Amino acid sequence: SAVISQKPSRDICQRGTSLTIQCQVDSQVTMMFWYRQQPGQSLTLIATANQGSEATYESGFVIDKFPISRPNLTFSTLTVSNMSPEDSSIYLCSVTYLDMVYEQYFGPGTRLTVT
Amino acid sequence: GIQVEQSPPDLILQEGANSTLRCNFSDSVNNLQWFHQNPWGQLINLFYIPSGTKQNGRLSATTVATERYSLLYISSSQTTDSGVYFCAVSSTSGTYKYIFGTGTRLKVLA
Repeated sequence: SAVISQKPSRDICQRGTSLTIQCQVDSQVTMMFWYRQQPGQSLTLIATANQGSEATYESGFVIDKFPISRPNLTFSTLTVSNMSPEDSSIYLCSVTYLDMVYEQYFGPGTRLTVT
Repeated sequence: GIQVEQSPPDLILQEGANSTLRCNFSDSVNNLQWFHQNPWGQLINLFYIPSGTKQNGRLSATTVATERYSLLYISSSQTTDSGVYFCAVSSTSGTYKYIFGTGTRLKVLA
């Protein structure tokens, strides 16, 4: 499988600010997703990042809070806006590849702490 | 929506022991994966197994789709097996959106 990187790997932010997380893949992928993992919990899907169009959000997640971009087949960003301590989580991107469309592969995650 | 429950929630083993982790899902699924999340948070793909049985070294998995469950077997456990094991299922054709289970936290003692 290809290499999936995320930046930053971790950050500590103050409440009320915003953070943009980048996900970069070194080969073309079909689909890209963003997940949130709150402390001690399972993963929850935030949205599907669609190339060149608005992301598809899951119930409970809105574009104003989590704007997502995907300008091409190998790159996506997730912004966590107007952060509060409840946003402290690990944020992970995942991808599916052209030859393995049923399997998701995950980036290393971004560990966010909001103070 | 589909519910995915895993058992047991926590498991402590002595090194060398065997274990079975279970994943129950509430509706029919098209895709199922098992992951290991290591202590650093990285999710590692173990198996893609919507049905049948697969083996990879000390790990094997079986999915009985008609009865809506999957099992992950770990034999001769090692301390590096510690972490959280998740199953994830996808039930909506064409979207490949996965719903994650509740997880099993495994600790292997030396």
